[in-house]
Amino acid sequence: DVKVTQSSRYLVKRTGEKVFLECVQDMDHENMFWYRQDPGLGLRLIYFSYDVKMKEKGDIPEGYSVSREKKERFSLILESASTNQTSMYLCASSSGTAFNSPLHFGNGTRLTVT
Amino acid sequence: SQQGEEDPQALSIQEGENATMNCSYKTSINNLQWYRQNSGRGLVHLILIRSNEREKHSGRLRVTLDTSKKSSSLLITASRAADTASYFCATVVDTNAGKSTFGDGTTLTVKP
Repeated sequence: DVKVTQSSRYLVKRTGEKVFLECVQDMDHENMFWYRQDPGLGLRLIYFSYDVKMKEKGDIPEGYSVSREKKERFSLILESASTNQTSMYLCASSSGTAFNSPLHFGNGTRLTVT
Repeated sequence: SQQGEEDPQALSIQEGENATMNCSYKTSINNLQWYRQNSGRGLVHLILIRSNEREKHSGRLRVTLDTSKKSSSLLITASRAADTASYFCATVVDTNAGKSTFGDGTTLTVKP
């Protein structure tokens, strides 16, 4: 089974801090995604990557950046955390031709910014 | 607004009953997928239906797709307490990037 591991289940950070959310997948998937999930807004795509060192903006990239130095690892960076970035963050991966491949999700990181 | 919108927002049934959830979307799609999310966990893929398919089965799950109405339904037959979860539909429009767009989900409660 594909395993997508997010490094933290819960994080509490202060406004203005730089925050790193890490995600690792073990199935050699080409594509990796970061979503945030908020009540009433569903899942919204922040950034995605279809290859090492490649990245594409999703629907809500403002305030975030990403890094993909190795195929198995996709990091989400909050340059200066703000309270409106309090959310559940979900990492996902998929193989090859992404549009016909299901997403495999990690268990999420619940981030609170105070 | 979301590309995929589920209906109803919440559904409560007794164990053994069938549960039907609906999803509507706005633009032409390549495929539509259904996912389940247990409380506090990530999403788990259930089933994918391509735009040229009308119906698909997987165990107790039956998914239909009506591209003329831009809608899909997920039927769970003979529900169990363990089916209690949120269910999301996701559509893929952009085949180059394979981005999936999710709705806000239907919360299903199955009472034992």
